[in-house]
Amino acid sequence: GDSVTQMEGPVTLSEEAFLTINCTYTATGYPSLFWYVQYPGEGLQLLLKATKADDKGSNKGFEATYRKETTSFHLEKGSVQVSDSAVYFCARILSGGGADGLTFGKGTHLIIQP
Amino acid sequence: EAQVTQNPRYLITVTGKKLTVTCSQNMNHEYMSWYRQDPGLGLRQIYYSMNVEVTDKGDVPEGYKVSRKEKRNFPLILESPSPNQTSLYFCASSLTGAFSYEQYFGPGTRLTVT
Repeated sequence: GDSVTQMEGPVTLSEEAFLTINCTYTATGYPSLFWYVQYPGEGLQLLLKATKADDKGSNKGFEATYRKETTSFHLEKGSVQVSDSAVYFCARILSGGGADGLTFGKGTHLIIQP
Repeated sequence: EAQVTQNPRYLITVTGKKLTVTCSQNMNHEYMSWYRQDPGLGLRQIYYSMNVEVTDKGDVPEGYKVSRKEKRNFPLILESPSPNQTSLYFCASSLTGAFSYEQYFGPGTRLTVT
C-alpha cells in the first residue's frame, strides 16, 4: 500500500554541520508532500511543503525538493543549530484527495551537539 | 491566537474506566482528526471528520469513538480503555480535507492505562 519511508534515527550532528534526512514515498498519482517538526513536549508543526513535482519547499533554512522520478522528498539544511534538535516527520496526503488525512513516516530524531 | 487545544494533557487511568479527551479549534476548520504516536510506529490516524456530523475511521479505530456535533469540537472517547491504548494522542485540524492544506496540531495528551 501507499507509505512513507524515512531514515531511522537518532541522527547526531555537530553544530554547523550539513543535514540530510532522507524520505521516499509510494503513492498512486501525485501526492502533496510535507515535512513536520516536533520539538520536545510539543505537537507537530508544519516545516515546509511541496504540492507538485519539482517544487521546492523551504523554511527556517531547511529545504526539500519534490522529486517525482525518484519519489523522494529529502530534507536538507546547510548549517544546523542546537535549536534544530527535534523529531522530523515526512508525510504525504493521498493523491485522491485529503479525506484520509496525512500518512506519516516514523520520524527521525535529530540531535545537534554544540 | 489560532490554536488547537486538548484536555487533559496528561491522564493516568485504569483498565475499563471510560474516558474522554477533548479537542477544540478556533480556526473554523472543517477537517479534524485524531492520531496516536507510539515509539517506532510514528503517527497513525485513529478517526477523522470532514465536517459536522461526518466522521470516518482511520488506520487504527478499534477501541475508540468520536463525535462531531459542533464544528469546533472533536472529542475522542475510550469506552473501555486497555493498556495497549497507552500512547501519546494528537488532535489536528485543517481548513478542509483538500490535500494541499496543512494540518494544525494540538499539544498532545499523554495517556497511561494501567
